[in-house]
Amino acid sequence: SQQGEEDPQALSIQEGENATMNCSYKTSINNLQWYRQNSGRGLVHLILIRSNEREKHSGRLRVTLDTSKKSSSLLITASRAADTASYFCATDGTTRKETSGSRLTFGEGTQLTVNP
Amino acid sequence: DGGITQSPKYLFRKEGQNVTLSCEQNLNHDAMYWYRQDPGQGLRLIYYSQIVNDFQKGDIAEGYSVSREKKESFPLTVTSAQKNPTAFYLCASSIGSGYGPQFFGPGTRLTVL
Repeated sequence: SQQGEEDPQALSIQEGENATMNCSYKTSINNLQWYRQNSGRGLVHLILIRSNEREKHSGRLRVTLDTSKKSSSLLITASRAADTASYFCATDGTTRKETSGSRLTFGEGTQLTVNP
Repeated sequence: DGGITQSPKYLFRKEGQNVTLSCEQNLNHDAMYWYRQDPGQGLRLIYYSQIVNDFQKGDIAEGYSVSREKKESFPLTVTSAQKNPTAFYLCASSIGSGYGPQFFGPGTRLTVL
């Protein structure tokens, strides 16, 4: 199964509201990353948080990481219609015995719709 | 402009045919990756390469093959052995060990007719 699992699967909000997406994972990690994907496009890296960090900010984005609960959240403040996209978390942990090396494992994503 | 390109954007294939998807990067990245994405799903790793002339299988390598003869290029061949190849294919690259961000191409949508 996927290492990362996002919650909720879909989220619909009004412009100006905040959007919160959650990610849970199963194994130890070095870092956790969040990506954005517009429909039919490639993914764009948003933010990386290391396992020894608890919170990180980038513009309107705020990411938290709780390694004891193996979970992360992505908060988008003051959302805009242009934020409409799918958001994925990715971890470098693995359930296999071999080291993950340069592998990332992606969750199935949260589809965010921001209504004007 | 620095970046990662994929071609073609759309590809149609008849059953039983092999097709090759192109991925090129001029970011001087050591590592490159191929992912498959099905509708409404996340990304699944097909193959990855951390260095020229070396590559490793990902989670769903069956029916696919790759080569890494140049640092800039990592083509993916979808063979006739892949039973359900219709999907969106994404190529990515990253610096060094890959614990940092991955940079993605625009994707190739493959449809089997």
